[in-house]
Amino acid sequence: AQTVTQSQPEMSVQEAETVTLSCTYDTSENNYYLFWYKQPPSRQMILVIRQEAYKQQNATENRFSVNFQKAAKSFSLKISDSQLGDTAMYFCAFMIHSGTYKYIFGTGTRLKVLA
Amino acid sequence: EADIYQTPRYLVIGTGKKITLECSQTMGHDKMYWYQQDPGMELHLIHYSYGVNSTEKGDLSSESTVSRIRTEHFPLTLESARPSHTSQYLCASSESSSYNSPLHFGNGTRLTVT
Repeated sequence: AQTVTQSQPEMSVQEAETVTLSCTYDTSENNYYLFWYKQPPSRQMILVIRQEAYKQQNATENRFSVNFQKAAKSFSLKISDSQLGDTAMYFCAFMIHSGTYKYIFGTGTRLKVLA
Repeated sequence: EADIYQTPRYLVIGTGKKITLECSQTMGHDKMYWYQQDPGMELHLIHYSYGVNSTEKGDLSSESTVSRIRTEHFPLTLESARPSHTSQYLCASSESSSYNSPLHFGNGTRLTVT
């Protein structure tokens, strides 16, 4: 079975500090893609960052970066210089490169950035 | 600014009523999805489509049905709403051209069945 586990239901961080959200997954596939999505309160879910499993280099997008450990099946998200607008639910997801284009989502981590 | 639109945003309806949740996208995406999300919980795939006249059931059993007559339109219908259908429904789409194409989500429809 393919699963995604986010072990931190809720987290908080002070503004301007750094926070890391954890994500582990389980799959027997070798080719897949990993994503972090952000869902602000009452707003549209948007993509934060994505990573191809065949790439060893960790993806970065401005203040957001990932620590991808393929052997450990770990895909954590680091948010640097946290801002109040980062307050949201964060979902880790992966998609198997098998032609089905189906995404598996984790249960989410609710992040609150404190002023 | 959203390129994928869902209506209505909120809906309260009585048991037994038939309802249709609308989803339209202007990006020309072939792949479209419906997810069900309870508050603070993960997303569960209930239906997906890879193109016109193509629809499949997702991983979560659902009493809803979908249709894909036009590329841009992917409505979801509940023939007889029940309180157990109370949830948030998210529509999403993605490109076919690349495997790592991310999902684009609508704003969601929050459905309450009384």
